[in-house]
Amino acid sequence: DTEVTQTPKHLVMGMTNKKSLKCEQHMGHRAMYWYKQKAKKPPELMFVYSYEKLSINESVPSRFSPECPNSSLLNLHLHALQPEDSALYLCASSQAPGDEQYFGPGTRLTVT
Amino acid sequence: GQSLEQPSEVTAVEGAIVQINCTYQTSGFYGLSWYQQHDGGAPTFLSYNALDGLEETGRFSSFLSRSDSYGYLLLQELQMKDSASYFCAVYTSGTYKYIFGTGTRLKVLA
Repeated sequence: DTEVTQTPKHLVMGMTNKKSLKCEQHMGHRAMYWYKQKAKKPPELMFVYSYEKLSINESVPSRFSPECPNSSLLNLHLHALQPEDSALYLCASSQAPGDEQYFGPGTRLTVT
Repeated sequence: GQSLEQPSEVTAVEGAIVQINCTYQTSGFYGLSWYQQHDGGAPTFLSYNALDGLEETGRFSSFLSRSDSYGYLLLQELQMKDSASYFCAVYTSGTYKYIFGTGTRLKVLA
């Protein structure tokens, strides 16, 4: 199984809502990542979990809250988002930090 | 600062060969990777160079010169399905981060 799955595929939320994005991999990878990608731009790293511990937070606003319940799951909790947070949110995993990354299909988020 | 620069757009015809360049300036360097991303899709890994030289994988080859902080992706026998965005990426030993280049949009014409 070389797949990273993400749910939901699309999400529309108001600025007062609370929602969560979910990511799962069963490749035994020990590093997991959240990226934000705007149209025609490269993915921007948000968070890195290494061996289930948060190792990198790229100065992401607190309205984004990551969680790694176990080695296969990664969540991104969203609260009080702004319209400019609308983007494609990609989850990725790798065997170890720095190794080739496997990306999920992403969640297309629209904040109204 | 850290940066990976790529041409914004490249156009070529089916069957041709195209080269996508990447110049990088990073604090520490482990290796240069290349990813392909179709519109609406997720990035997929293409190749990785840790040492100088050419790596070949089917129609795709990737080159690295660490002394020049430069690499390229070579796509041969272009097909319409190769139309996509291509990103170089560096894992930096200084900050332990994966940084993506600015991206190159490749258009393959019939």
